[in-house]
Amino acid sequence: DAGVIQSPRHEVTEMGQEVTLRCKPISGHNSLFWYRQTMMRGLELLIYFNNNVPIDDSGMPEDRFSAKMPNASFSTLKIQPSEPRDSAVYFCASSRPGTGQGEQFFGPGTRLTVL
Amino acid sequence: AQKVTQAQTEISVVEKEDVTLDCVYETRDTTYYLFWYKQPPSGELVFLIRRNSFDEQNEISGRYSWNFQKSTSSFNFTITASQVVDSAVYFCALSDWWALCFNKFYFGSGTKLNVKP
Repeated sequence: DAGVIQSPRHEVTEMGQEVTLRCKPISGHNSLFWYRQTMMRGLELLIYFNNNVPIDDSGMPEDRFSAKMPNASFSTLKIQPSEPRDSAVYFCASSRPGTGQGEQFFGPGTRLTVL
Repeated sequence: AQKVTQAQTEISVVEKEDVTLDCVYETRDTTYYLFWYKQPPSGELVFLIRRNSFDEQNEISGRYSWNFQKSTSSFNFTITASQVVDSAVYFCALSDWWALCFNKFYFGSGTKLNVKP
């Protein structure tokens, strides 16, 4: 089975540009999580969805950040406009709650650099 | 409130030494899960173990072992005879009863393990 797929793997953009990060969760997983990892702040949960519905977006740092999950197999995290402080690795993870398994499966991450 | 504390920011050992990574958690719930993840230099987060709050048996998997003690709210991870390939950042995480509905995790800040040859 394919794991969590993220694209692009690397993104370099200039300040002010729009950035869209993409995630395809593992088939059958109905919870999806977006994380951001930086040296200064560690691993931060930005937002998570259950059955395509956003449950908690309190971790989204600013209105410049938005996330959508139009269907069970696709989610996007958008930053508009991007700023240098948004440079980080962004991870997507998925899981199947209620199965007694519990673990989240992480994608390889997208390394974002905003110049 | 839920919280996971990994007080050791960075640990350096020489190959073949044993090393223990500490994890202390806080939760008011009686039903919860604890996890350990490994993040090698390549960057991906790899699931290592899950433990539920009703199972306090220690677990051993090869050179890895985990010591779960509810009395001290700790879930420590020991690597026996460490190897250079064990060099990574290790994260401890907690998922409690409400969060289990969605599998939301509370991650610790991570411990960076350096194993020198």
